[in-house]
Amino acid sequence: QKEVEQDPGPLSVPEGAIVSLNCTYSNSAFQYFMWYRQYSRKGPELLMYTYSSGNKEDGRFTAQVDKSSKYISLFIRDSQPSDSATYLCAMSAPGGSYIPTFGRGTSLIVHP
Amino acid sequence: DSGVTQTPKHLITATGQRVTLRCSPRSGDLSVYWYQQSLDQGLQFLIQYYNGEERAKGNILERFSAQQFPDLHSELNLSSLELGDSALYFCASSPETSGYNEQFFGPGTRLTVL
Repeated sequence: QKEVEQDPGPLSVPEGAIVSLNCTYSNSAFQYFMWYRQYSRKGPELLMYTYSSGNKEDGRFTAQVDKSSKYISLFIRDSQPSDSATYLCAMSAPGGSYIPTFGRGTSLIVHP
Repeated sequence: DSGVTQTPKHLITATGQRVTLRCSPRSGDLSVYWYQQSLDQGLQFLIQYYNGEERAKGNILERFSAQQFPDLHSELNLSSLELGDSALYFCASSPETSGYNEQFFGPGTRLTVL
């Protein structure tokens, strides 16, 4: 079992839909949770960064962490064609060098 | 634009050859990370440097090596290249203020080994 599991998709939705992207993990030591967006042939771009459990909102994006279930989510409201990209979750544990473990990424397609 | 620069953008070479990838971190960032991204493996951490010293090692092959120079730029050296080394190689840097969890990625170098 991989430490971080993420459905590769693709996930295809119409413009304006609410998108839910998810990751599960097995390492209970993970405390820091990140979401990155990666456009085709570009470097990943940090979208959201949360610590421990709870919700964090930034514009149309909401990150949710449920440590009891070892499950994290990224919600995108009012999705736009420009949101079409691959979304990678990442997580790390305190101590040491905080090297994050990345999920494989979910490909999202928002069609007009 | 993340502020992290990488050169070259593309590199095409033959098996058995050696190449050097270069990265300049964001101004003020002391930590540099190297990652390999292939279609079947996802984003794999290779190595981290902090202010010139190796800080952490991931799944880096012995044929690969890296260093960080006094001006904080970093180079990743790949030798005895094999077809399977074809991938995107990303460099990232992070600020101390976020505990190194916020990583800013460069545009990557696409390596093709023929």
